[in-house]
Amino acid sequence: GAVVSQHPSWVICKSGTSVKIECRSLDFQATTMFWYRQFPKQSLMLMATSNEGSKATYEQGVEKDKFLINHASLTLSTLTVTSAHPEDSSFYICSLGQGNQPQHFGDGTRLSIL
Amino acid sequence: AQSVTQLGSHVSVSEGALVLLRCNYSSSVPPYLFWYVQYPNQGLQLLLKYTTGATLVKGINGFEAEFKKSETSFHLTKPSAHMSDAAEYFCAVSDLSTNAGKSTFGDGTTLTVKP
Repeated sequence: GAVVSQHPSWVICKSGTSVKIECRSLDFQATTMFWYRQFPKQSLMLMATSNEGSKATYEQGVEKDKFLINHASLTLSTLTVTSAHPEDSSFYICSLGQGNQPQHFGDGTRLSIL
Repeated sequence: AQSVTQLGSHVSVSEGALVLLRCNYSSSVPPYLFWYVQYPNQGLQLLLKYTTGATLVKGINGFEAEFKKSETSFHLTKPSAHMSDAAEYFCAVSDLSTNAGKSTFGDGTTLTVKP
């Protein structure tokens, strides 16, 4: 069964609105979760590492004020795209990190900003 | 630092033919290597992994990969392609010195299977 639940799977909204994406760990305590963005026909680009109880670590070039990450519990990490614009339209994927084990991925969220 | 290069962004094979997807890596420490498959509008699913031990690893759906340190390669193979194998495939590398579970992904290879 699924290890990671990501919600919503599809979002369409107007430019300027904020969108929250949830990533839940169903079977494991998730001290570390990863957030990726994937443009069509491209690979996954790591945006940030979400750490339970502390601030997220953002990759170079990712605006922390634009992409707010909250990881307040061992089962939930959220990514909020603030004041979204059309260029933020993408496929966002979260994953659960477990040391040197392969990651468990959510099913992704397709974000379309009109 | 680590990196992954997947040679060939598109691979097309006939149903029943051999599948070979190439992956070369660069890592300053012994790598952990993974192959993932992604179907449209879905997340990634693990096919197989190499950590330590046997260099030929078998995964799900009949896929296998061989870790060759001398060639810094981890190519993915399947003896006989099936239509359901058509998808995007990603090779990834991680090492213990990075943030827990953090991986670097290749650019992906789109596999097309012709009837």
